[in-house]
Amino acid sequence: AQSVSQHNHHVILSEAASLELGCNYSYGGTVNLFWYVQYPGQHLQLLLKYFSGDPLVKGIKGFEAEFIKSKFSFNLRKPSVQWSDTAEYFCASANSGYALNFGKGTSLLVTP
Amino acid sequence: GAVVSQHPSWVICKSGTSVKIECRSLDFQATTMFWYRQFPKQSLMLMATSNEGSKATYEQGVEKDKFLINHASLTLSTLTVTSAHPEDSSFYICSASYSAEAFFGQGTRLTVV
Repeated sequence: AQSVSQHNHHVILSEAASLELGCNYSYGGTVNLFWYVQYPGQHLQLLLKYFSGDPLVKGIKGFEAEFIKSKFSFNLRKPSVQWSDTAEYFCASANSGYALNFGKGTSLLVTP
Repeated sequence: GAVVSQHPSWVICKSGTSVKIECRSLDFQATTMFWYRQFPKQSLMLMATSNEGSKATYEQGVEKDKFLINHASLTLSTLTVTSAHPEDSSFYICSASYSAEAFFGQGTRLTVV
């Protein structure tokens, strides 16, 4: 069965630091990949997604992710984080439809 | 973007009672909705796929008689936790897809006492 793993469970950064959150997926066939963010008390919100094409995907709020097929990875990056980026981040995959397999999530705390 | 609304946001119930959670797509029609469950400090786990006008598809290990799903219209799916027990306490989230993107409800925190 397809699965997604996130390496960092808790990350603490200072404002303006660079961010990279790891995500690896297990399925070797066609896979759609996503990063979601959940701000405290809010809905899950899509940051970006990769279906095919350019492996470097730009998302909202300055986030990007790179799909590296040889490494089965889809890491999330942001060059300079802000306090408002404090949230829970989930990597997810789907091989058909929109039933998603989620990673365990990474809790990001950005300190002023 | 499309909006998915869940109700209630939180509920406390007594052990042995049943609880119904609603998931509505407010500005689009959804033939398929998904129900997830999230335990503390763990990931969201897909419970079932809700299909409008037909039976839901349950993931392995999810009791269909305990978690009743009804998708009677293109904008509403309901999850009923029957004879709830403390171990059913969890965070339940629904989603619906629109224009190649999944949209999520705000979730329902269920506490069974």
